Amino acid sequence: EAGVTQFPSHSVIEKGQTVTLRCDPISGHDNLYWYRRVMGKEIKFLLHFVKESKQDESGMPNNRFLAERTGGTYSTLKVQPAELEDSGVYFCASSQVRYQGTQYFGPGTRLLVL
Amino acid sequence: AQKVTQAQTEISVVEKEDVTLDCVYETRDTTYYLFWYKQPPSGELVFLIRRNSFDEQNEISGRYSWNFQKSTSSFNFTITASQVVDSAVYFCALSEAKAAGNKLTFGGGTRVLVKP
Repeated sequence: EAGVTQFPSHSVIEKGQTVTLRCDPISGHDNLYWYRRVMGKEIKFLLHFVKESKQDESGMPNNRFLAERTGGTYSTLKVQPAELEDSGVYFCASSQVRYQGTQYFGPGTRLLVL
Repeated sequence: AQKVTQAQTEISVVEKEDVTLDCVYETRDTTYYLFWYKQPPSGELVFLIRRNSFDEQNEISGRYSWNFQKSTSSFNFTITASQVVDSAVYFCALSEAKAAGNKLTFGGGTRVLVKP
């Protein structure tokens, strides 16, 4: 069974540009989560999808971040326009059971905004 | 609000030594889950264990063991007879069972360096 995959693995962009990150969850996992780790900080929750619906987006830092999960399969996280403080590692995770399911993580996307 | 503290930022040991990673958590909920994840140099987060708040039985898996103590709000992780392949960053995390979606709250991580 394939694990959570994320694309790209690395992205280097200039301030003001747009970047779109993609996450493909484990097949059959209805729950999809985005987290990020900014340099020197803890891994922080961004948002949670149940199928195509946003269940909790309390961790989204501001309206420059837009997450979608069309069709309840893969998800994209767009940052527009990117700022220097958006640099970090963006992790995606998926789980099968909402309240007790273990979250399995992807390898992360390392974003550097110059 | 929930919080996870990993006071040790980095631990360095020589191969075959035991190493214990501390994790202290805060939550107001009576039902919650605790996790440990490993992040090897390749970067992905690898799930190691999940423990629910009603099960204080310690667990052993090979060279790994976990000590859960509700009285001290701690969920410590011990690697016995460490190996170079154990070198990684280890994260402790908490989720509250009644919170919608059981989002994880992570500690800051402990970097373990095992020298040959």
